[in-house]
Amino acid sequence: DAGVTQTPRHEVAEKGQTIILKCEPVSGHNDLFWYRQTKIQGLELLSYFRSKSLMEDGGAFKDRFKAEMLNSSFSTLKIQPTEPKDSAVYLCASSTGQGGGTEVFFGKGTRLTVV
Amino acid sequence: QQQVRQSPQSLTVWEGETAILNCSYENSAFDYFPWYQQFPGEGPALLIAIRSVSDKKEDGRFTIFFNKREKKLSLHITDSQPGDSATYFCAASIPGYQNFYFGKGTSLTVIP
Repeated sequence: DAGVTQTPRHEVAEKGQTIILKCEPVSGHNDLFWYRQTKIQGLELLSYFRSKSLMEDGGAFKDRFKAEMLNSSFSTLKIQPTEPKDSAVYLCASSTGQGGGTEVFFGKGTRLTVV
Repeated sequence: QQQVRQSPQSLTVWEGETAILNCSYENSAFDYFPWYQQFPGEGPALLIAIRSVSDKKEDGRFTIFFNKREKKLSLHITDSQPGDSATYFCAASIPGYQNFYFGKGTSLTVIP
């Protein structure tokens, strides 16, 4: 059974570029999350989808970050334009969404470096 | 405002010792508390979880102790092994709401 798949694993972008990160959730999962992970801030929620509908859009990230679920098995996170402070690991996660307290499965993440 | 706090930020123990990782939270509505383990280059993975109706949850060498009155919980790793060296995240969620609030993590190093 495939877990959450994220591509690419590493991305280097120049300041001002547009980058798109991709995620395939676990098959059959209804909930999908995008997180940003840094040593200082820890895990910060960027977006949360339930059955392809956007449930939560991290307030501080709205202006340059846009997550979409094109279908139930594919999601993208676009950062436009990138800034050096966006350098972080971006994690995608999914769960069955059967109420609170179900296991969330994470991908291995995309490490983004903005120069 | 950090809803879930963890301490210490980093912890070093010798192989065979018990590592104690602490977590506290703000919101009384939280009722589910998973701990996630993350190795370098990997995403976090569920290690063990507890619901607020329980005060203890055990799984092999890993035990969660939960104090609802004080809004605190701790993860005890007995007989620590070098393979336990990882970052551990405490998280919390509200009933019926799938999103989690994560602490900033504790980096554990187990020295052989």
